[in-house]
Amino acid sequence: QQQVKQSPQSLIVQKGGISIINCAYENTAFDYFPWYQQFPGKGPALLIAIRPDVSEKKEGRFTISFNKSAKQFSLHIMDSQPGDSATYFCAGAFQGAQKLVFGQGTRLTINP
Amino acid sequence: DSGVTQTPKHLITATGQRVTLRCSPRSGDLSVYWYQQSLDQGLQFLIQYYNGEERAKGNILERFSAQQFPDLHSELNLSSLELGDSALYFCASSVDPAGGPVGELFFGEGSRLTVL
Repeated sequence: QQQVKQSPQSLIVQKGGISIINCAYENTAFDYFPWYQQFPGKGPALLIAIRPDVSEKKEGRFTISFNKSAKQFSLHIMDSQPGDSATYFCAGAFQGAQKLVFGQGTRLTINP
Repeated sequence: DSGVTQTPKHLITATGQRVTLRCSPRSGDLSVYWYQQSLDQGLQFLIQYYNGEERAKGNILERFSAQQFPDLHSELNLSSLELGDSALYFCASSVDPAGGPVGELFFGEGSRLTVL
């Protein structure tokens, strides 16, 4: 019940295109859904996050869409740039148990 | 730079050996988390400490142990190492058990362990 399933495992998008990464969760106790971005040789860093009482959150070119009834959420990267090439992890978390449960990760490559 | 420091960055050792990984959290952060990242398992939560006390435990093997010291740095001890323990080990920190906001962890750059 702790799982967070992420797809696709890898994604190649042309510069200027839209990158979409999907996640599904099982634990309905999760009340916080962050996305982390990891560049090679670096640790993951928080990119954007959403709570389940909100259906969408946008920060610049990055948007999270959240569907509570389907227990799914997704990350959209608009006007994707080569600098966005990284591994992206979705996660679920709930207060009182601070550990993050991560998805398997998506390796995103933006071709120039 | 996240402010979280991990040493060593790389470590190569043999099966059956014991190693210690060290983590210094961001200044002011009381919580430390350890994660294991391998190709086939993604990022797996191992253990969390808050102000010296164990707060949460994940998929940590009995051969592994951790502690957080009064100065808040943490060490992850891995013993009787097996080939399958080869992975990146990340330390992360947050301000308090609930984070600030919840879910915002600051990760170090990791310690890459290779067991031959």
